[in-house]
Amino acid sequence: NAGVTQTPKFQVLKTGQSMTLQCAQDMNHNSMYWYRQDPGMGLRLIYYSASEGTTDKGEVPNGYNVSRLNKREFSLRLESAAPSQTSVYFCASSRDRVPLGYGYTFGSGTRLTVV
Amino acid sequence: GQQVMQIPQYQHVQEGEDFTTYCNSSTTLSNIQWYKQRPGGHPVFLIQLVKSGEVKKQKRLTFQFGEAKKNSSLHITATQTTDVGTYFCAGPTGTASKLTFGTGTRLQVTL
Repeated sequence: NAGVTQTPKFQVLKTGQSMTLQCAQDMNHNSMYWYRQDPGMGLRLIYYSASEGTTDKGEVPNGYNVSRLNKREFSLRLESAAPSQTSVYFCASSRDRVPLGYGYTFGSGTRLTVV
Repeated sequence: GQQVMQIPQYQHVQEGEDFTTYCNSSTTLSNIQWYKQRPGGHPVFLIQLVKSGEVKKQKRLTFQFGEAKKNSSLHITATQTTDVGTYFCAGPTGTASKLTFGTGTRLQVTL
């Protein structure tokens, strides 16, 4: 049981390049999320998907797009990377719309540097 | 929008000392969750509190939810080096499934 798998683990991009961060969960969770973590800023929600086929903006969606490909997979795309998007990106999933007793399960993260 | 603040931002203790982090929300929460993130790692779910005034214990960790359901605390008794990491509280935002995370408290424990 792998939980939440994120790829790649590390990435360096040049300004203006595009890339897609992949996330897959094998726990049959309905809800999936993308957060970014910056020093001193905690975890900030970029996008989330409460169920297959739906996506919604979070706190910091500008510069990102997402796709809920199926129940297992939720990808995050940077169309034109900027240095301000240098961060650690975490994908997470949860069983319920409002997690009851189980919390979020996080992936191991993608450390992205934009130069 | 909803804000969740934690204090202190950082605390350095000697092994064996106690540690407490406090979490305050700008709005009433239906429940609050706590997570631990080891250095270089990812957040790991610790516990959820739902009831007003609820207290839960996990070995040396004691979690409390305030009577007004706007604040919470995590207390660690007799810290160990394995307690090193950042502790986050998180509360649901509105009626959706998303959580708003606190700013986190980084704990450093030295021998």
